[in-house]
Amino acid sequence: DVKVTQSSRYLVKRTGEKVFLECVQDMDHENMFWYRQDPGLGLRLIYFSYDVKMKEKGDIPEGYSVSREKKERFSLILESASTNQTSMYLCASSFPDRGGEQYFGPGTRLTVT
Amino acid sequence: QKEVEQNSGPLSVPEGAIASLNCTYSDRVSQSFFWYRQYSGKSPELIMSIYSNGDKEDGRFTAQLNKASQYVSLLIRDSQPSDSATYLCAPAGGGSYIPTFGRGTSLIVHP
Repeated sequence: DVKVTQSSRYLVKRTGEKVFLECVQDMDHENMFWYRQDPGLGLRLIYFSYDVKMKEKGDIPEGYSVSREKKERFSLILESASTNQTSMYLCASSFPDRGGEQYFGPGTRLTVT
Repeated sequence: QKEVEQNSGPLSVPEGAIASLNCTYSDRVSQSFFWYRQYSGKSPELIMSIYSNGDKEDGRFTAQLNKASQYVSLLIRDSQPSDSATYLCAPAGGGSYIPTFGRGTSLIVHP
């Protein structure tokens, strides 16, 4: 079974803090993705990576950065957390020629106060 | 920017009925189509993929695709309360094959 894990299920941070969200997959997938999901807005792509050290901006990259130093690990970084970044963050992975067949992690519910 | 339209619902059906979930998309580039199921408080899970016009059946689930009409649907036969979830439509196409997710349709199957 494909397994995608995320470092925390719930996280509470203060405005201005630097936040790291980590994602690890064990299926040797080249593609990895970070989404946020908000009520009424659906899933929105923040960043994706198609290889180690490679990254592409998604639809809403502002305020976020990413790091992929190893194939199995993809990190999302909030340089200076703000209250409007309170959301559910979902990581996913896939094979490169099957970008639509994504396997999701359990999600991290981030609250910024 | 591709747009994916789904009725947000909730769609309420009695147990044992057929639930019909619909999705339209705005571009003609999309070549593959995916349905994800998301239970409340959980992450999305891929349940169906369809790549060519027509029907694809998998157990109680049937995906239907009409590329000319830019329309894809998911039928759930003999609906069960355990099918109650939000269903996300996700067309993909172009060079990256990265899908665009619709906002989802909430399905409630009542006993």
